[in-house]
Amino acid sequence: KNEVEQSPQNLTAQEGEFITINCSYSVGISALHWLQQHPGGGIVSLFMLSSGKKKHGRLIATINIQEKHSSLHITASHPRDSAVYICAVRSNTDKLIFGTGTRLQVFP
Amino acid sequence: NAGVTQTPKFRVLKTGQSMTLLCAQDMNHEYMYWYRQDPGMGLRLIHYSVGEGTTAKGEVPDGYNVSRLKKQNFLLGLESAAPSQTSVYFCASRAGISYNEQFFGPGTRLTVL
Repeated sequence: KNEVEQSPQNLTAQEGEFITINCSYSVGISALHWLQQHPGGGIVSLFMLSSGKKKHGRLIATINIQEKHSSLHITASHPRDSAVYICAVRSNTDKLIFGTGTRLQVFP
Repeated sequence: NAGVTQTPKFRVLKTGQSMTLLCAQDMNHEYMYWYRQDPGMGLRLIHYSVGEGTTAKGEVPDGYNVSRLKKQNFLLGLESAAPSQTSVYFCASRAGISYNEQFFGPGTRLTVL
């Protein structure tokens, strides 16, 4: 079993829909990252969380340390949000462990 | 301030050829990393460095060598490329042990025929 599990693996949505991507992990962590990767592109950091909730524009990330679970929400989705979203955790042994990613496609 | 850059962006090799991927960062970061990304898998750590002159093995080091002669550069070498090394390679840097955020380069797409 992977130490970081994401769901769903693939997600399609119509423009304007509310989207949720989930991440569960099984190790002790000091921080959790949400990353975005556009097709053929590099990886950019969206959020780094150690507790609670953060919001940037239409993106919201939450983390529940007790349940070892995080969610990434996109409100009013847009075709430009189409990308792969990657959850990664910084373990207590300072290792960055990556999920396999969620491929999101938003259609107009 | 370019952040993390990688050279080249694309490369096609024949089995047995050698090449070096260059990663450069201008943020004065201590830690640098090389990862590979393969379909259906999370990024996997190949080698890393916690400072100039230091290197260490990651999760999948076989077939690769690295060097960190200058703080700003981290080189990844393939001495004898194999088709199994076809992948997208990402470099990343991080300020130090007390800093969680990592900054990623744009990636190098390598195909070994």
